[in-house]
Amino acid sequence: TQLLEQSPQFLSIQEGENLTVYCNSSSVFSSLQWYRQEPGEGPVLLVTVVTGGEVKKLKRLTFQFGDARKDSSLHITAAQPGDTGLYLCAGATGTASKLTFGTGTRLQVTL
Amino acid sequence: DTAVSQTPKYLVTQMGNDKSIKCEQNLGHDTMYWYKQDSKKFLKIMFSYNNKELIINETVPNRFSPKSPDKAHLNLHINSLELGDSAVYFCASSPLTSGGVLTQYFGPGTRLLVL
Repeated sequence: TQLLEQSPQFLSIQEGENLTVYCNSSSVFSSLQWYRQEPGEGPVLLVTVVTGGEVKKLKRLTFQFGDARKDSSLHITAAQPGDTGLYLCAGATGTASKLTFGTGTRLQVTL
Repeated sequence: DTAVSQTPKYLVTQMGNDKSIKCEQNLGHDTMYWYKQDSKKFLKIMFSYNNKELIINETVPNRFSPKSPDKAHLNLHINSLELGDSAVYFCASSPLTSGGVLTQYFGPGTRLLVL
């Protein structure tokens, strides 16, 4: 069974701080995605990475796919209250038709 | 326009009852899914349908029966509800893609509470 472990599980920081969330697995994925879920809503896709070592930026968010395609990180610079939510990584294998979701990281950014 | 919609948003019911949750997507996607998110926010796939055909059936009790009348709809019927069924159930859809990229478009969720 593929397992995606995220760390930290919870993170509470003040506005303006930087943070990194990690997503680790012993399995190799053909692609990895990050989603953000706000309270009372479904997850929404932030980014997809497909190449080992790939780095993608989305404003203050930087996503990296590990060289071996087993892990990923999400770095947020100068966090804002609007970044508050549950961050989920999700991996897909080449032949599978499903995503395996990570254990989740709950982020709270306060003023 | 709502892309993936679910009804109802909240469902409170007694143990032993039978209930259904409905899902519709207007994105023209071929694949639809049901996920269960538990109290620890872990999101786990239950079923997947591709163009009305069941393609994924994870280890789910057979009290749960999905039905896809057409590729825009995927409903979930649950028989003999148990306390442990309490969770948020998300419907999602996904377009046909290549290279193992499976972008999921999620509905707003149905919060099921079994008393």
